[in-house]
Amino acid sequence: KAGVTQTPRYLIKTRGQQVTLSCSPISGHRSVSWYQQTPGQGLQFLFEYFSETQRNKGNFPGRFSGRQFSNSRSEMNVSTLELGDSALYLCASSLGRGHGEQYFGPGTRLTVT
Amino acid sequence: GENVEQHPSTLSVQEGDSAVIKCTYSDSASNYFPWYKQELGKGPQLIIDIRSNVGEKKDQRIAVTLNKTAKHFSLHITETQPEDSAVYFCAASIPGFQKLVFGTGTRLLVSP
Repeated sequence: KAGVTQTPRYLIKTRGQQVTLSCSPISGHRSVSWYQQTPGQGLQFLFEYFSETQRNKGNFPGRFSGRQFSNSRSEMNVSTLELGDSALYLCASSLGRGHGEQYFGPGTRLTVT
Repeated sequence: GENVEQHPSTLSVQEGDSAVIKCTYSDSASNYFPWYKQELGKGPQLIIDIRSNVGEKKDQRIAVTLNKTAKHFSLHITETQPEDSAVYFCAASIPGFQKLVFGTGTRLLVSP
């Protein structure tokens, strides 16, 4: 069974631009969560989607948003990019709510210049 | 909210030795505790997990123990090998929420 896939793997953007990252979960998994990983803050939860609805949201500004499609694929968007948004963005999929096991993709490395 | 502390931040061992990484969580409602291994350039890989109704779980060379009273859980790796070298993260979550709260990571270096 294929794992979690994320595209693109690397991205370079300029301050003020916006970016969209994509995540395809493991086949049959319906819950997708997004995390930001930085050397300073570590791994931090952004949000979780299940059945096309955002179920949980972390402590990030409204510039960070996401959505989930009917096939469980998910996208996250960051608008008005700041230098501090440079990070590895990780997507994790799980069977559904209440199923603890989350499986991570390889991440998208975003660099904001 | 939940907070997870992880120690040590770095751990160097000789091949064949055992390695122990410890975590403490703050929210007594937490009931799921996974451990992840992250190699350079890759996403975190789930290696073992434990739920609050179990005190210990083992999978070949790795084991996890949980002390609910003290709100501690630990990862034990026996007979370490160079390929065990990576950053290890502990995490915790509370029932009904998919949000994982991660520790700060332990860089494990296994020298041949």
